Amino acid sequence: LAKTTQPISMDSYEGQEVNITCSHNNIATNDYITWYQQFPSQGPRFIIQGYKTKVTNEVASLFIPADRKSSTLSLPRVSLSDTAVYYCLVGDGGATNKLIFGTGTLLAVQP
Amino acid sequence: DSGVTQTPKHLITATGQRVTLRCSPRSGDLSVYWYQQSLDQGLQFLIQYYNGEERAKGNILERFSAQQFPDLHSELNLSSLELGDSALYFCASSATSGGSLYEQYFGPGTRLTVT
Repeated sequence: LAKTTQPISMDSYEGQEVNITCSHNNIATNDYITWYQQFPSQGPRFIIQGYKTKVTNEVASLFIPADRKSSTLSLPRVSLSDTAVYYCLVGDGGATNKLIFGTGTLLAVQP
Repeated sequence: DSGVTQTPKHLITATGQRVTLRCSPRSGDLSVYWYQQSLDQGLQFLIQYYNGEERAKGNILERFSAQQFPDLHSELNLSSLELGDSALYFCASSATSGGSLYEQYFGPGTRLTVT
């Protein structure tokens, strides 16, 4: 069974770049890696998704090494409104199509 | 607004009771996912349906069951409720059947409190 782990929390200041890593040691060959953002009492919201190497959109970048056993979400120039919990999501690495959310990282951005 | 609706928003019930949570996916989405979020367990995948058929099953208890109807809305039934079932239950939808491949849109959740 896949296990996805993330740092419990991170602190940053406005304007800095933040990198959050997720370890997914049993990701399936055909599985994508997706990152979500969650504010208190709201459902998670899609940030970015990738399969390998690097993906960039208007809000974040996602770096995935060749072995795909980890991924790093990069948030450029964070602001106070980026304070939230960030989760990675992968498949369980088997044939069951189960989905595994990471343990979540609480990012606290200070002025 | 993700386009996914969930009812009710809050539910308070007693141990041993049975409740039904309802989810309407975004227009055109064929897949529905159910998740449980509690403080000690984080976000746990329960089950996925695609176009009426069960596609994937996660850590769903035998006391829980779900179904997706022809109009694509879904219901999660929780029975013989225990205090530990108190949690936020999220529904999400996506356009196709791929679990981790396609972007999921999450509803606002149903907060269940079992007393």
